[in-house]
Amino acid sequence: GAGVSQSPSNKVTEKGKDVELRCDPISGHTALYWYRQSLGQGLEFLIYFQGNSAPDKSGLPSDRFSAERTGGSVSTLTIQRTQQEDSAVYLCASSLGGVEKLFFGSGTQLSVL
Amino acid sequence: GESVGLHLPTLSVQEGDNSIINCAYSNSASDYFIWYKQESGKGPQFIIDIRSNMDKRQGQRVTVLLNKTVKHLSLQIAATQPGDSAVYFCAENPLNNAGNMLTFGGGTRLMVKP
Repeated sequence: GAGVSQSPSNKVTEKGKDVELRCDPISGHTALYWYRQSLGQGLEFLIYFQGNSAPDKSGLPSDRFSAERTGGSVSTLTIQRTQQEDSAVYLCASSLGGVEKLFFGSGTQLSVL
Repeated sequence: GESVGLHLPTLSVQEGDNSIINCAYSNSASDYFIWYKQESGKGPQFIIDIRSNMDKRQGQRVTVLLNKTVKHLSLQIAATQPGDSAVYFCAENPLNNAGNMLTFGGGTRLMVKP
């Protein structure tokens, strides 16, 4: 069966531009997470969606970051006015609920020049 | 703040030997721990998990040990194979986080020598 799919796999953008990153979770998974991984670092929590509940946005580093999840499935992470420090791998994960056995996508490598 | 950390950033082992990857945590409220494996260019892959009411759990060639007294977690890989080469992350889920978030450590790179 299909796993978590993320697109694009790589994105190069210029400082100040907006970017959108897409995540298709595993079908039937109600929980969806976005994490950020900087080079050689661990994973930093960004945002969490669970069903129709209000998302947990406590990990978003600034108001330039936002995310939405439409129809309880596909999610889009938007970064406005990108900065060089936004360069990282953005990982999406989904699960049947909560943090147990998260399935991760391969990530989007974002490079801000 | 409280966080999950790792003792060794890089571990090199001979093929066929056993590997032990260590992780220290400081949040005594954590009740759930997970080990992930991340190969180059891929997302983290679930390996094994353990709840705080257990001190040991075994999977296929892997064992996770939890010592709550010293807040220490370890991942043991038996008969390490070249395919085990990857970065390994431990993660914790604090009870006081309402089950929403995993806090990840910085990762240990395992290198398997043929």
